[in-house]
Amino acid sequence: AIRMTQSPSSFSASTGDRVTITCRASQGISSYLAWYQQKPGKAPKLLIYAASTLQSGVPSRFSGSGSGTDFTLTISCLQSEDFATYYCQQYYSYPSLTFGGGTKVEIK
Amino acid sequence: EVQLVETGGGLIQPGGSLRLSCAASGFTVSSNYMSWVRQAPGKGLEWVSVIYSGGSTYYADSVKGRFTISRDNSKNTLYLQMNSLRAEDTAVYYCARDRGIAVAGEVDAFDIWGQGTMVTVSS
Repeated sequence: AIRMTQSPSSFSASTGDRVTITCRASQGISSYLAWYQQKPGKAPKLLIYAASTLQSGVPSRFSGSGSGTDFTLTISCLQSEDFATYYCQQYYSYPSLTFGGGTKVEIK
Repeated sequence: EVQLVETGGGLIQPGGSLRLSCAASGFTVSSNYMSWVRQAPGKGLEWVSVIYSGGSTYYADSVKGRFTISRDNSKNTLYLQMNSLRAEDTAVYYCARDRGIAVAGEVDAFDIWGQGTMVTVSS
């Protein structure tokens, strides 16, 4: 199975900060990567698919990049509603799908 | 409105069985790849099972032989039959829709998720 490793696992940031989360795949997955946001007690929400394509309705301060094994999610100007946990997910090795361990973004 | 609503969770003893349902509205379950994803308390997301539009089914190794995914096209509903439940199956279970064009064999991310249903396996 393809292993997805996110870093950091958590960090603190302030409103207005530019933040970057990384996700590394144990083998090449082309651009078959998605990013989700999850808030406590809620279902995950799709932010980005195909590594860099913004899902409809998602603010443009979110962006994704990368291909192969290394990927990043960037929030250009952190807003209060962005404090949440973020997950990457590969869908290259369908049907064996795997998620990263998550990155929790907390208020500094 | 496109949405998924899960039901059927609850408290069950180890070794017991439970069936989860996921009712869809606004789209046709049988036209999409549909998955179950779970999240143990305080943990990350774990893919559990998928059913293709053509009916093929696949499972994570952790549930293979114990869980069965199915759908009822007339009810536009997805199911997860869970047998021989273990404490480690305790989790919130989500159903999710793959946004890919199934008829073209395209796979993609999960764009629609249900609200989740909690399954607790404990004596």
